[in-house]
Amino acid sequence: DTEVTQTPKHLVMGMTNKKSLKCEQHMGHRAMYWYKQKAKKPPELMFVYSYEKLSINESVPSRFSPECPNSSLLNLHLHALQPEDSALYLCAKSVGGIGNTGELFFGEGSRLTVL
Amino acid sequence: EDQVTQSPEALRLQEGESSSLNCSYTVSGLRGLFWYRQDPGKGPEFLFTLYSAGEEKEKERLKATLTKKESFLHITAPKPEDSATYLCAVPRSSNTGKLIFGQGTTLQVKP
Repeated sequence: DTEVTQTPKHLVMGMTNKKSLKCEQHMGHRAMYWYKQKAKKPPELMFVYSYEKLSINESVPSRFSPECPNSSLLNLHLHALQPEDSALYLCAKSVGGIGNTGELFFGEGSRLTVL
Repeated sequence: EDQVTQSPEALRLQEGESSSLNCSYTVSGLRGLFWYRQDPGKGPEFLFTLYSAGEEKEKERLKATLTKKESFLHITAPKPEDSATYLCAVPRSSNTGKLIFGQGTTLQVKP
């Protein structure tokens, strides 16, 4: 099962709000990822979780806080964001693990707008 | 430095007009080259993995090939539903979980 479900699909928030993005998948994985994608640009890696532990943080500002409560869930907590953080946030999983990082299965993304 | 370059940036085809997209890469110790398709507002969809020069993979009207310096995505007799952005990516040389994506080629197929 390669399905990855992200909620919400759309989110509008003010710069003082706290919100969370959720990602859920089933049937196993070894690594899960958060990517950020701006319009007409490729996805940019933010975080990687391997076996539910944070393995990579691509120097992401602390206003983004990832969490992996269990093997099926990945959250991205948002606080005090800036308008330039508006983007499509993508969750992905790989069955092959962090060393086999190319075959990723992405969710449909959460479109975030920061006012 | 690891690098992936895709060309052209945009491609317009008439339905049935075959063409190719290019992905040039510079990476030490290639551990796979990956093609994705992305529809507007959606997450990328995995298409192919290629590991060694000379390898080919096919899916419907798409065929991906790999040399030591580049990969091609050949589209044969495209249909309007093939319109999308096509991304190629390679893993970063250091053994971490990062993919280096190209900027993508946006394909539009007109009926």
